[in-house]
Amino acid sequence: GQNIDQPTEMTATEGAIVQINCTYQTSGFNGLFWYQQHAGEAPTFLSYNVLDGLEEKGRFSSFLSRSKGYSYLLLKELQMKDSASYLCAVMDSNYQLIWGAGTKLIIKP
Amino acid sequence: GAGVSQSPSNKVTEKGKDVELRCDPISGHTALYWYRQSLGQGLEFLIYFQGNSAPDKSGLPSDRFSAERTGGSVSTLTIQRTQQEDSAVYLCASSLASLAGTDTQYFGPGTRLTVL
Repeated sequence: GQNIDQPTEMTATEGAIVQINCTYQTSGFNGLFWYQQHAGEAPTFLSYNVLDGLEEKGRFSSFLSRSKGYSYLLLKELQMKDSASYLCAVMDSNYQLIWGAGTKLIIKP
Repeated sequence: GAGVSQSPSNKVTEKGKDVELRCDPISGHTALYWYRQSLGQGLEFLIYFQGNSAPDKSGLPSDRFSAERTGGSVSTLTIQRTQQEDSAVYLCASSLASLAGTDTQYFGPGTRLTVL
């Protein structure tokens, strides 16, 4: 079966760095997405990785290792507004997105 | 339009009633997806439309659920004889052309459905 695993909840301090991990087992691979979802709102796109390595976009970076079936989202200089759920999703060989359950990130002052 | 829009934003209905949820995708986006999300849960895929191809209905949980997409644009998701377990946020997303490669799905604000 297809599976996306990510921690249910993480807590970090304002100004710090946090890494949210995602491991996956899917039938084929056509890229990995990270989305941010604030409570009561729709998911919004953060990043897309299809090749191994690190993609940096401002305070957010996303890393992919296809051989390990592993990705992480790195958030630097955390701000209170970063409190949200972070969803990992993998596009399989049929170009369908398989979604993880999301990681709820709590930022404390 | 500028983004994906959905209506209504909230819908409260009685058990056994039918409901229709509407999605207007981003203009020019040929792929359209419906998901639902229960409180504190991840996204559950329901149905996928790509251009004029037959939709992928593999995620629909029962035959009470159906969806159509008219003219390759607006889509409606219909739930017949609603049950309390249908209560969730129903999210619509669109993308440029899924079959052409991987591309980003943009989400609408969702419809919060409450079945009493």
